[in-house]
Amino acid sequence: KNQVEQSPQSLIILEGKNCTLQCNYTVSPFSNLRWYKQDTGRGPVSLTIMTFSENTKSNGRYTATLDADTKQSSLHITASQLSDSASYICVVTDRGSTLGRLYFGRGTQLTVWP
Amino acid sequence: DTAVSQTPKYLVTQMGNDKSIKCEQNLGHDTMYWYKQDSKKFLKIMFSYNNKELIINETVPNRFSPKSPDKAHLNLHINSLELGDSAVYFCASSTDSENTEAFFGQGTRLTVV
Repeated sequence: KNQVEQSPQSLIILEGKNCTLQCNYTVSPFSNLRWYKQDTGRGPVSLTIMTFSENTKSNGRYTATLDADTKQSSLHITASQLSDSASYICVVTDRGSTLGRLYFGRGTQLTVWP
Repeated sequence: DTAVSQTPKYLVTQMGNDKSIKCEQNLGHDTMYWYKQDSKKFLKIMFSYNNKELIINETVPNRFSPKSPDKAHLNLHINSLELGDSAVYFCASSTDSENTEAFFGQGTRLTVV
């Protein structure tokens, strides 16, 4: 069964600190993996996308890694800001399914305190 | 310009009513989706639709029906609303290519009382 599991479920850090969010998946055949950021009351917005051959991808203070062998990904946030408070959702796309082809994790709720 | 827009943003209605949520995308995408986000923030796909086919998640009650007047619109019609339908509904669109990205609307918060 295609699944995407994220950890931790929630995380509180102080402003300026770094943090790492985890994503494990069983989706196959694998096409790509995205990290989305969802602010409260808004729709998800894509941060990074990685295909099978990519190990790391950065977008400003966000750095995503992918290990396609172990089917694990992480999202590292550097020097956190209050505006980073949001839900971070890992989404894996497969090549086989026609129903949306996108498998969502349940998200990690990040809260950054001043 | 908003890429994917939904209306209304908030909808409060009584049990048993019929309501529609509208979605429009100006990205020229081929495929549109409806997702339901429950109280635990989990996004679950309801429908996937392009000009070729409509794919329905089998767990979605038949009280829910997508209606697409044209390629840029996919509206969600809900009959006989129930308390459990209360959630945030997101419309999204994407291209039909393999490394596609889904662009989401801002969501419609539906409250059934």
